[in-house]
Amino acid sequence: EAGVTQFPSHSVIEKGQTVTLRCDPISGHDNLYWYRRVMGKEIKFLLHFVKESKQDESGMPNNRFLAERTGGTYSTLKVQPAELEDSGVYFCASSQREAGANVLTFGAGSRLTVL
Amino acid sequence: GQNIDQPTEMTATEGAIVQINCTYQTSGFNGLFWYQQHAGEAPTFLSYNVLDGLEEKGRFSSFLSRSKGYSYLLLKELQMKDSASYLCAVRDLYNYGQNFVFGPGTRLSVLP
Repeated sequence: EAGVTQFPSHSVIEKGQTVTLRCDPISGHDNLYWYRRVMGKEIKFLLHFVKESKQDESGMPNNRFLAERTGGTYSTLKVQPAELEDSGVYFCASSQREAGANVLTFGAGSRLTVL
Repeated sequence: GQNIDQPTEMTATEGAIVQINCTYQTSGFNGLFWYQQHAGEAPTFLSYNVLDGLEEKGRFSSFLSRSKGYSYLLLKELQMKDSASYLCAVRDLYNYGQNFVFGPGTRLSVLP
């Protein structure tokens, strides 16, 4: 089965510009998560979708970040306008179940560099 | 809140055994996961512990003590390809619901 795919793998933009990251989860996985890792720190939770609904967005840093999952398939994460501190690697993960031995399958990440 | 600690870096020799420790503090512990991540690649699942004790899976084993807030990942018969970062992640019901809180990761270097 195809894994979690993310696009682009690397994006370099200037401060104030907009970037949209895309995640295609494993087919049939209702749960989709966004995480990010900034400047060598730990991976931190951003938000969680169950199908098209936002289950938990408590990790979103501010209102410059907007995540959508229309139709409950792929998801996008838009950063507008981007700031320097937004640089990092944005990971997407998906899973079938939400509880129990809920193994998340991660994508390779989208590296964002804001200049 | 929650706090997860791991050693930043470890070095070991090919063929040897290495133990990577993870300590955590959570309000509502609901499972501990270990992931392996090679540079530039996706983290991949290694093991899951929710009850105390040892889970063995081939060359990798993971141990959990909930009363001590402690886990370790044991890698046996180390191979060069085991050089990677190892991430300890905890599910905390009182923080982010069913979602994961990650430790900083341990970068393991396996030397010939």
